[in-house]
Amino acid sequence: GQQVMQIPQYQHVQEGEDFTTYCNSSTTLSNIQWYKQRPGGHPVFLIQLVKSGEVKKQKRLTFQFGEAKKNSSLHITATQTTDVGTYFCAGLGDSNYQLIWGAGTKLIIKP
Amino acid sequence: DSGVTQTPKHLITATGQRVTLRCSPRSGDLSVYWYQQSLDQGLQFLIQYYNGEERAKGNILERFSAQQFPDLHSELNLSSLELGDSALYFCASSVGRTPITGELFFGEGSRLTVL
Repeated sequence: GQQVMQIPQYQHVQEGEDFTTYCNSSTTLSNIQWYKQRPGGHPVFLIQLVKSGEVKKQKRLTFQFGEAKKNSSLHITATQTTDVGTYFCAGLGDSNYQLIWGAGTKLIIKP
Repeated sequence: DSGVTQTPKHLITATGQRVTLRCSPRSGDLSVYWYQQSLDQGLQFLIQYYNGEERAKGNILERFSAQQFPDLHSELNLSSLELGDSALYFCASSVGRTPITGELFFGEGSRLTVL
């Protein structure tokens, strides 16, 4: 079946360093959504990408959707303690319109 | 506040028991999704209802069942509970039949502990 692989599983960064998480799908996606889950919290929607090659920015966060609509990335510039949490991608399957979730990348800020 | 309400927030029960988790979606949302999240794990999709009808099924065990009522609230029934069922159960809602039209709004979750 359709799968979305997300790497890395964890990323430890010093505050101020950059962070990137990547998602790769085995098949073409209709769109991809990104969510953030703070520790002890629930997933919160960040953004949706629909077009091939699309790039969207939200302040220090940059989201990209690959040309083939099979991969996506989230890049955070100059991380802050408020960025701590797990970032999930969720791709919408092309055929059954079901969200296929990545396993998440946990961002940990080193003290 | 996402507008999605889940009860109870916490539940402790014993193996072999049955529990019911309840979810009220955001006003106007017709779709309800149920997810299971084990400790520090990803989100496992269980089932989706749209306007009272089952729309999609994920990795839901036969011991689990769900329904969506005419007022659009949903219940997830977990029976013959096992230790491995201990997890956070999230309900999410969305406006449309599929997520192609937009985002999912998650509730705060129901944490189930099976002893």
